[in-house]
Amino acid sequence: KAGVTQTPRYLIKTRGQQVTLSCSPISGHRSVSWYQQTPGQGLQFLFEYFSETQRNKGNFPGRFSGRQFSNSRSEMNVSTLELGDSALYLCASSLEHMNTEAFFGQGTRLTVV
Amino acid sequence: LAKTTQPISMDSYEGQEVNITCSHNNIATNDYITWYQQFPSQGPRFIIQGYKTKVTNEVASLFIPADRKSSTLSLPRVSLSDTAVYYCLVGDMLRNQGGKLIFGQGTELSVKP
Repeated sequence: KAGVTQTPRYLIKTRGQQVTLSCSPISGHRSVSWYQQTPGQGLQFLFEYFSETQRNKGNFPGRFSGRQFSNSRSEMNVSTLELGDSALYLCASSLEHMNTEAFFGQGTRLTVV
Repeated sequence: LAKTTQPISMDSYEGQEVNITCSHNNIATNDYITWYQQFPSQGPRFIIQGYKTKVTNEVASLFIPADRKSSTLSLPRVSLSDTAVYYCLVGDMLRNQGGKLIFGQGTELSVKP
């Protein structure tokens, strides 16, 4: 079956702009989590959505938001972009709302200039 | 959530067995130990998960002593393609944690010819 699909793969934005990233989980998976990866901070949890509801949130400012649709697809939005938001954004899907095996997508590489 | 400590880097040669040890002194009764592998510019990939003693799959083995304060990921006969960062995670699989995986710094394994 198809894996986790993230679009776009690469993105360049200007400071102050906003961006929307998309994630399609594995078919049948209902939990979608988002992570930010930077060389300095490593992999950090952003938030998790399950059944269209945000169930858990990491320690990120309110500029980072997300949502999940009825088909479990998820989007992540970052407003008022800052240079420090440049990172690899990873989406992971799991069957249920538990710490079971997570399947990661290839990520979206966001560069803010 | 239990904190984990791993070596920052390890070197090996093709064909050798590699053992990466992770310390998790504050592991809780319900915590499981999970290992992920990550190649550059890709999302992490689940390798193996265990609770106690030994777990083996087609990729690796996981050894967990009786006190569960540490665990060792064993990769048999590594090849150049095993060069990656390996993350040890500890978390409660039985209690909802909202899909939140806590990644440490990981161990950068370099396999040489």
